[in-house]
Amino acid sequence: DIQMTQSPSSLSASVGDRVTITCRASQSISSYLNWYQQKPGKAPKLLIYAASSLQSGVPSRFSGSGSGTDFTLTISSLQPEDFATYYCQQSYSNSFGQGTKLEIK
Amino acid sequence: QVQLVQSGAEVKKPGASVKVSCKASGYTFTSYYMHWVRQAPGQGLEWMGIINPSGGSTSYAQKFQGRVTMTRDTSTSTVYMELSSLRSEDTAVYYCARVNSLNTYNWFDPWGQGTLVTVSS
Repeated sequence: DIQMTQSPSSLSASVGDRVTITCRASQSISSYLNWYQQKPGKAPKLLIYAASSLQSGVPSRFSGSGSGTDFTLTISSLQPEDFATYYCQQSYSNSFGQGTKLEIK
Repeated sequence: QVQLVQSGAEVKKPGASVKVSCKASGYTFTSYYMHWVRQAPGQGLEWMGIINPSGGSTSYAQKFQGRVTMTRDTSTSTVYMELSSLRSEDTAVYYCARVNSLNTYNWFDPWGQGTLVTVSS
């Protein structure tokens, strides 16, 4: 099984900050990596697919990069609505990272 | 618009089974695979399996093999996930999620609203 490890598990930041979340796969997954945002009580929402492609309707402050085993999600300038939990997911066998909770500092 | 609407919350006793439905609309039901993902309270997302609504073929995560059954009804554009031999650790929100793909890449979008299954004696 492919294990996905996110870091950090939680993060405190302020509005306007630049934030980076990392996801590491236990073996190479090429660019088969997606990112989701989840707010309390809601279903996850797709942000980035194929490691770096921005889903339609998602603000351009979100970006993804990486290939192989190491990936990043970057939010260039945090907005109040971005405080949520973020998950990476590999689409070889569909496992998820454990999540990164982004909180207001 | 593409929409997935799931059945309502369930409360079950240990050892029982639960069957959750996910009704699709706004697209050709048989053209897109569907996944099931669950989330225990305060925990992360856990992939359970996938069903091809066209032929009904399935693939399950090893953890759930023998306890989960995914089916579909093409006449109502609905997929079902049945989990048997329930235990307290199965208390979770269960989501269906449609696959989208481009070339060899695929991702989950959209998701259903989730169905809370509570297992308690």
